[in-house]
Order: sequence, then structure tokens, then C-alpha cells
Amino acid sequence: GNSVTQMEGPVTLSEEAFLTINCTYTATGYPSLFWYVQYPGEGLQLLLKATKADDKGSNKGFEATYRKETTSFHLEKGSVQVSDSAVYFCALSVTGNQFYFGTGTSLTVIP
Amino acid sequence: DTAVSQTPKYLVTQMGNDKSIKCEQNLGHDTMYWYKQDSKKFLKIMFSYNNKELIINETVPNRFSPKSPDKAHLNLHINSLELGDSAVYFCASSHLQRGDGYTFGSGTRLTVV
Repeated sequence: GNSVTQMEGPVTLSEEAFLTINCTYTATGYPSLFWYVQYPGEGLQLLLKATKADDKGSNKGFEATYRKETTSFHLEKGSVQVSDSAVYFCALSVTGNQFYFGTGTSLTVIP
Repeated sequence: DTAVSQTPKYLVTQMGNDKSIKCEQNLGHDTMYWYKQDSKKFLKIMFSYNNKELIINETVPNRFSPKSPDKAHLNLHINSLELGDSAVYFCASSHLQRGDGYTFGSGTRLTVV
């Protein structure tokens, strides 16, 4: 079946620290992979995506590379800011219709 | 503004009541969804409509009934509300064939007392 596993949180980092949130997936087919971010009290927003192996998605200093050999799509940022505090969701889609979301990883960045 | 808008943002109601949540998108998407997010932030799909046709109907109590009068609207009606229905409900939309990802509404926080 299709599923996403992401590292459990919460994650607490100091400002300017390096961030990695791990995400691995299983899929019946060739999925597109996504990271969504949910700021407090808001809906989910698309952060970045990659549609095929070795693609790198990037946005707002965040990056993730679609690794087919390790079935992974880890989210990274070189220097986090307080404003990056949010819940991050990894997701996949095979058909373009139904998305499969991970359980979310809460990130808190302290000054 | 182009967006997915859902109303109300907050809904507090007593057990046993019937309530509706409305959702509208002006993005020209052909598919709309309802998700339930629990207190641990876990997201569970409930329903999906493509051009007014129900295409995903996950295992949810039949007290939950979606209705799509046109492809820009997807409403959620809940009968006989229970304490366990308390959650945040998100509407989302997408263009089925493009695979660009969902656009989410800002959520409706339902509290059943």
C-alpha cells in the first residue's frame, strides 16, 4: 500500500541551527512527494514538492531530494528562524487524487 | 483573493445537535476534499468529490454527509454530534490531473460539549 513515515517530534532547535526532518515512504507506483507546513491556527500550505527520482524541491530555504533508492524525502534547512516554528507534514500522491500524509513533526525554534 | 474558504472558523455546539460546515474554492479546481485533524495533528481523509461526483468515501460514521452542489462547493453536514467529533476539519481542493498538490482552507475547529 501507500504510506508515509516521518520522524516523531517535537523538535526544538535554536535559531540558526541546521534542520533535518526525516521522511520515508512506501508506494505502489511512482509517487509525487510533498512537504506541507502548518503554522499555528492555520491550514496546511504546500512548502515544496518533487515529482520524480532525484528531483530536488526547494522553497524559503527548505530543500528535499526525492531519493528512490532509499525511498526517502528528507526535509532540510541550513539555518532555521523563529518564524519556521510550525508542524511539517510529508505526503505522497500516486494518482494525483488521494494524498497520504505523515503524522506531522512539530518544530519549535527558540531565539 | 484566490483561495479555499470555509465557514465557520469556530463552531461550539452541544451533543446531539446537527451542524454544517461550508467550503468554497475559486481556484478552478475540479476536486475537493474533507479532512479531519485530531488533537495530535493526525490528518484523516473523509471524502473527496471530483466534478460533483463522490470518488473517495472513507470509513466515517454515516452521521457525516457531504454535499457538492457544484464543483466549487463542498459542504459537510454532521448529524447527532458526539464528543468524539471534536476536531479541526479542513477542506481542500486540487486539479486532479495536474498533481500540483492540495490547497487547504484554514480549518473549522469544531468543539462538541
